[in-house]
Amino acid sequence: AQSVTQLDSQVPVFEEAPVELRCNYSSSVSVYLFWYVQYPNQGLQLLLKYLSGSTLVKGINGFEAEFNKSQTSFHLRKPSVHISDTAEYFCAVSEGNQGGKLIFGQGTELSVKP
Amino acid sequence: GAGVSQSPSNKVTEKGKDVELRCDPISGHTALYWYRQRLGQGLEFLIYFQGNSAPDKSGLPSDRFSAERTGESVSTLTIQRTQQEDSAVYLCASSLERTVEQYFGPGTRLTVT
Repeated sequence: AQSVTQLDSQVPVFEEAPVELRCNYSSSVSVYLFWYVQYPNQGLQLLLKYLSGSTLVKGINGFEAEFNKSQTSFHLRKPSVHISDTAEYFCAVSEGNQGGKLIFGQGTELSVKP
Repeated sequence: GAGVSQSPSNKVTEKGKDVELRCDPISGHTALYWYRQRLGQGLEFLIYFQGNSAPDKSGLPSDRFSAERTGESVSTLTIQRTQQEDSAVYLCASSLERTVEQYFGPGTRLTVT
């Protein structure tokens, strides 16, 4: 069965510092990988996705993530964060033969301080 | 264009009552998903509709939960005899057939007192 582990429940960081939010998954088949962001009192928004091809994927707002099959990881990174990046970030996985349903991690709360 | 909409945005109900939550997907999206987000936790998959295929109900937590979808449009999630542990934000998402990107609605916050 699929599962997703986000290793950090909270990540405090100062503005303009780099950040990495960690995500590991388990699956016996090929997967699609996603990062979603949930700003306070808003719905989920897709940041980026990995379907196939290049293992480095770029998303909105300057975020990128790297798919590492051997380590079953899909860590999210940003070289310089802004106050506006404060939000909850969710990693999710979908198996191609499961009809597209997403299995989510527990979420990482990113708090950017001035 | 219009995104996924859900109603009501907030619902407070007494334990033991039934509730209905509504989702209007993006027009033309054949796939529709329901998820639940409990406080401080990630999203749990509940149920998935794809066109005329039988729905995937594997995520429904108990037989008190059910969902219907009218063709490729509106879906209703029904919770019977609500319990306090049902308190959560219920999120609906839709996607085009054979694509993986899901678009989420704003959710319905359910509070069972």
